[in-house]
Amino acid sequence: QKEVEQDPGPLSVPEGAIVSLNCTYSNSAFQYFMWYRQYSRKGPELLMYTYSSGNKEDGRFTAQVDKSSKYISLFIRDSQPSDSATYLCAMNLGYNFNKFYFGSGTKLNVKP
Amino acid sequence: EPEVTQTPSHQVTQMGQEVILRCVPISNHLYFYWYRQILGQKVEFLVSFYNNEISEKSEIFDDQFSVERPDGSNFTLKIRSTKLEDSAMYFCASSGGQEMNTEAFFGQGTRLTVV
Repeated sequence: QKEVEQDPGPLSVPEGAIVSLNCTYSNSAFQYFMWYRQYSRKGPELLMYTYSSGNKEDGRFTAQVDKSSKYISLFIRDSQPSDSATYLCAMNLGYNFNKFYFGSGTKLNVKP
Repeated sequence: EPEVTQTPSHQVTQMGQEVILRCVPISNHLYFYWYRQILGQKVEFLVSFYNNEISEKSEIFDDQFSVERPDGSNFTLKIRSTKLEDSAMYFCASSGGQEMNTEAFFGQGTRLTVV
Protein backbone atom coordinates (compact mmCIF):
# COMPACT_ATOMS: atom_id res chain seq x y z
CA GLN A 1 0.00 0.00 0.00
CA LYS A 2 1.35 3.43 -0.92
CA GLU A 3 2.07 5.84 1.90
CA VAL A 4 -0.01 8.62 0.34
CA GLU A 5 -2.65 8.20 -2.34
CA GLN A 6 -4.12 10.98 -4.43
CA ASP A 7 -6.41 10.85 -7.44
CA PRO A 8 -4.37 12.18 -10.39
CA GLY A 9 -7.39 13.67 -12.15
CA PRO A 10 -7.56 15.66 -14.29
CA LEU A 11 -10.38 17.52 -12.60
CA SER A 12 -12.13 20.05 -14.78
CA VAL A 13 -14.56 22.57 -13.27
CA PRO A 14 -16.20 25.83 -14.40
CA GLU A 15 -15.02 29.12 -12.97
CA GLY A 16 -16.70 29.87 -9.64
CA ALA A 17 -17.17 26.23 -8.67
CA ILE A 18 -16.16 24.77 -5.32
CA VAL A 19 -13.32 22.32 -5.76
CA SER A 20 -12.61 19.42 -3.45
CA LEU A 21 -9.21 17.72 -3.55
CA ASN A 22 -8.41 14.73 -1.39
CA CYS A 23 -5.67 12.43 -0.18
CA THR A 24 -5.67 9.28 1.88
CA TYR A 25 -2.70 7.92 3.76
CA SER A 26 -1.72 4.74 5.52
CA ASN A 27 0.63 5.83 8.31
CA SER A 28 -1.36 6.91 11.36
CA ALA A 29 1.77 8.54 12.81
CA PHE A 30 1.68 11.42 10.32
CA GLN A 31 1.03 14.65 12.18
CA TYR A 32 1.71 17.53 9.81
CA PHE A 33 -0.20 17.92 6.57
CA MET A 34 0.50 20.28 3.74
CA TRP A 35 -0.99 21.26 0.42
CA TYR A 36 1.21 22.54 -2.36
CA ARG A 37 0.30 24.03 -5.71
CA GLN A 38 2.60 23.32 -8.63
CA TYR A 39 2.46 25.01 -11.99
CA SER A 40 4.00 23.23 -14.94
CA ARG A 41 7.78 22.90 -14.63
CA LYS A 42 7.85 25.01 -11.46
CA GLY A 43 8.57 24.23 -7.82
CA PRO A 44 5.81 23.29 -5.37
CA GLU A 45 4.37 26.38 -3.68
CA LEU A 46 3.10 25.94 -0.12
CA LEU A 47 -0.61 26.75 0.19
CA MET A 48 -1.77 25.33 3.49
CA TYR A 49 -0.16 23.69 6.49
CA THR A 50 -2.08 22.01 9.29
CA TYR A 51 -1.20 20.08 12.37
CA SER A 52 -3.23 17.06 13.47
CA SER A 53 -6.99 16.92 12.93
CA GLY A 54 -9.23 19.87 12.25
CA ASN A 55 -9.86 22.65 9.76
CA LYS A 56 -7.82 25.62 8.67
CA GLU A 57 -9.04 28.41 6.45
CA ASP A 58 -7.03 30.93 4.45
CA GLY A 59 -8.99 33.10 2.05
CA ARG A 60 -10.64 30.88 -0.55
CA PHE A 61 -8.79 27.79 0.69
CA THR A 62 -9.85 25.43 3.49
CA ALA A 63 -7.79 22.44 4.58
CA GLN A 64 -9.38 19.61 6.55
CA VAL A 65 -7.67 16.75 8.30
CA ASP A 66 -9.50 13.69 9.60
CA LYS A 67 -6.89 11.55 11.30
CA SER A 68 -9.42 8.91 12.33
CA SER A 69 -10.14 8.24 8.65
CA LYS A 70 -6.61 9.04 7.47
CA TYR A 71 -8.10 11.48 5.00
CA ILE A 72 -7.24 15.06 4.17
CA SER A 73 -9.00 17.54 1.92
CA LEU A 74 -8.42 20.91 0.33
CA PHE A 75 -11.43 22.98 -0.68
CA ILE A 76 -11.17 25.91 -3.05
CA ARG A 77 -14.13 28.28 -3.11
CA ASP A 78 -14.96 30.52 -6.06
CA SER A 79 -12.35 28.80 -8.19
CA GLN A 80 -10.52 30.92 -10.76
CA PRO A 81 -8.71 30.01 -14.00
CA SER A 82 -5.50 31.00 -12.22
CA ASP A 83 -6.11 28.10 -9.82
CA SER A 84 -5.44 25.71 -12.71
CA ALA A 85 -2.39 23.73 -11.57
CA THR A 86 -1.41 20.44 -10.01
CA TYR A 87 -2.19 20.18 -6.30
CA LEU A 88 0.07 18.03 -4.17
CA CYS A 89 -0.63 16.83 -0.69
CA ALA A 90 2.32 16.12 1.58
CA MET A 91 2.73 14.97 5.13
CA ASN A 92 5.35 14.04 7.67
CA LEU A 93 5.86 12.62 11.09
CA GLY A 94 6.38 16.03 12.65
CA TYR A 95 9.69 15.73 14.40
CA ASN A 96 13.19 16.60 13.35
CA PHE A 97 14.85 15.33 10.22
CA ASN A 98 11.69 14.19 8.62
CA LYS A 99 11.17 13.71 4.96
CA PHE A 100 7.90 14.72 3.41
CA TYR A 101 5.73 12.09 1.78
CA PHE A 102 3.99 13.39 -1.31
CA GLY A 103 0.90 12.33 -3.13
CA SER A 104 1.14 12.02 -6.90
CA GLY A 105 -0.80 15.25 -7.40
CA THR A 106 -4.23 16.12 -8.82
CA LYS A 107 -4.31 18.22 -11.96
CA LEU A 108 -7.03 20.88 -11.78
CA ASN A 109 -8.36 22.82 -14.74
CA VAL A 110 -10.71 25.72 -14.05
CA LYS A 111 -12.48 26.74 -17.23
CA PRO A 112 -13.43 30.42 -17.75
CA GLU B 1 9.20 37.25 1.42
CA PRO B 2 12.07 34.80 2.03
CA GLU B 3 12.50 32.14 -0.59
CA VAL B 4 14.68 29.21 -1.56
CA THR B 5 16.75 29.95 -4.65
CA GLN B 6 18.30 27.40 -6.97
CA THR B 7 20.87 27.67 -9.72
CA PRO B 8 21.09 26.94 -12.54
CA SER B 9 17.48 26.75 -13.70
CA HIS B 10 18.45 24.33 -16.46
CA GLN B 11 21.56 22.18 -16.81
CA VAL B 12 22.40 19.97 -19.76
CA THR B 13 25.21 17.50 -19.26
CA GLN B 14 26.69 14.51 -21.00
CA MET B 15 26.29 11.07 -19.50
CA GLY B 16 29.16 10.29 -17.15
CA GLN B 17 29.88 13.92 -16.31
CA GLU B 18 29.70 15.38 -12.83
CA VAL B 19 27.12 18.05 -12.03
CA ILE B 20 26.66 20.28 -9.02
CA LEU B 21 23.25 21.77 -8.31
CA ARG B 22 23.20 24.75 -6.01
CA CYS B 23 20.67 26.03 -3.53
CA VAL B 24 20.42 28.90 -1.09
CA PRO B 25 17.88 27.91 1.59
CA ILE B 26 15.87 30.37 3.66
CA SER B 27 18.34 32.00 6.00
CA ASN B 28 17.05 30.97 9.43
CA HIS B 29 16.07 27.44 8.43
CA LEU B 30 17.89 24.49 9.92
CA TYR B 31 16.78 21.52 7.81
CA PHE B 32 17.58 21.13 4.16
CA TYR B 33 16.33 18.68 1.57
CA TRP B 34 16.74 17.59 -1.98
CA TYR B 35 13.83 16.11 -3.89
CA ARG B 36 13.49 15.18 -7.50
CA GLN B 37 10.60 14.87 -9.92
CA ILE B 38 10.89 12.92 -13.12
CA LEU B 39 8.61 14.42 -15.74
CA GLY B 40 5.00 13.42 -15.09
CA GLN B 41 5.82 11.56 -11.90
CA LYS B 42 5.60 12.19 -8.19
CA VAL B 43 7.97 14.31 -6.13
CA GLU B 44 10.50 11.89 -4.60
CA PHE B 45 12.62 12.40 -1.51
CA LEU B 46 16.37 12.13 -1.96
CA VAL B 47 18.04 13.35 1.21
CA SER B 48 17.64 15.49 4.31
CA PHE B 49 20.46 17.37 6.00
CA TYR B 50 20.76 18.87 9.46
CA ASN B 51 23.62 20.10 11.58
CA ASN B 52 26.11 19.48 8.79
CA GLU B 53 25.27 15.87 8.25
CA ILE B 54 22.83 13.69 6.38
CA SER B 55 19.90 12.79 8.62
CA GLU B 56 18.02 10.56 6.19
CA LYS B 57 18.41 9.40 2.61
CA SER B 58 16.35 7.38 0.19
CA GLU B 59 17.44 4.34 -1.81
CA ILE B 60 17.76 6.64 -4.82
CA PHE B 61 20.56 8.53 -3.05
CA ASP B 62 23.36 6.08 -3.78
CA ASP B 63 27.13 6.58 -3.82
CA GLN B 64 26.87 8.72 -6.94
CA PHE B 65 25.15 11.43 -4.94
CA SER B 66 26.56 13.69 -2.26
CA VAL B 67 25.45 16.84 -0.48
CA GLU B 68 27.41 19.61 1.12
CA ARG B 69 26.89 22.85 2.94
CA PRO B 70 30.21 24.50 2.11
CA ASP B 71 29.44 27.77 3.88
CA GLY B 72 26.67 29.34 5.91
CA SER B 73 24.33 29.88 2.99
CA ASN B 74 24.75 27.37 0.16
CA PHE B 75 23.56 23.77 0.01
CA THR B 76 24.72 21.67 -2.94
CA LEU B 77 23.84 18.35 -4.54
CA LYS B 78 26.58 16.64 -6.53
CA ILE B 79 26.02 13.79 -8.93
CA ARG B 80 29.40 12.26 -9.71
CA SER B 81 28.73 10.36 -12.91
CA THR B 82 25.39 11.23 -14.40
CA LYS B 83 23.16 8.64 -16.04
CA LEU B 84 20.34 9.18 -18.49
CA GLU B 85 17.83 8.26 -15.79
CA ASP B 86 19.06 11.14 -13.62
CA SER B 87 17.22 13.51 -15.96
CA ALA B 88 14.61 15.20 -13.79
CA MET B 89 13.67 18.38 -11.98
CA TYR B 90 15.66 18.67 -8.77
CA PHE B 91 14.11 20.68 -5.98
CA CYS B 92 15.83 22.02 -2.93
CA ALA B 93 13.71 22.70 0.16
CA SER B 94 14.26 24.02 3.64
CA SER B 95 12.27 23.97 6.85
CA GLY B 96 12.53 24.52 10.57
CA GLY B 97 12.97 28.14 11.43
CA GLN B 98 13.17 29.49 14.93
CA GLU B 99 9.60 28.45 15.63
CA MET B 100 10.48 24.86 14.66
CA ASN B 101 7.65 24.71 12.14
CA THR B 102 7.93 21.75 9.88
CA GLU B 103 6.43 22.96 6.64
CA ALA B 104 8.95 22.93 3.83
CA PHE B 105 9.49 25.67 1.29
CA PHE B 106 10.68 24.66 -2.12
CA GLY B 107 12.84 26.35 -4.69
CA GLN B 108 11.87 26.66 -8.33
CA GLY B 109 14.00 23.71 -9.27
CA THR B 110 16.88 22.85 -11.58
CA ARG B 111 15.93 20.94 -14.68
CA LEU B 112 18.72 18.44 -15.31
CA THR B 113 18.94 16.91 -18.75
CA VAL B 114 21.47 14.13 -19.27
CA VAL B 115 22.26 13.39 -22.91
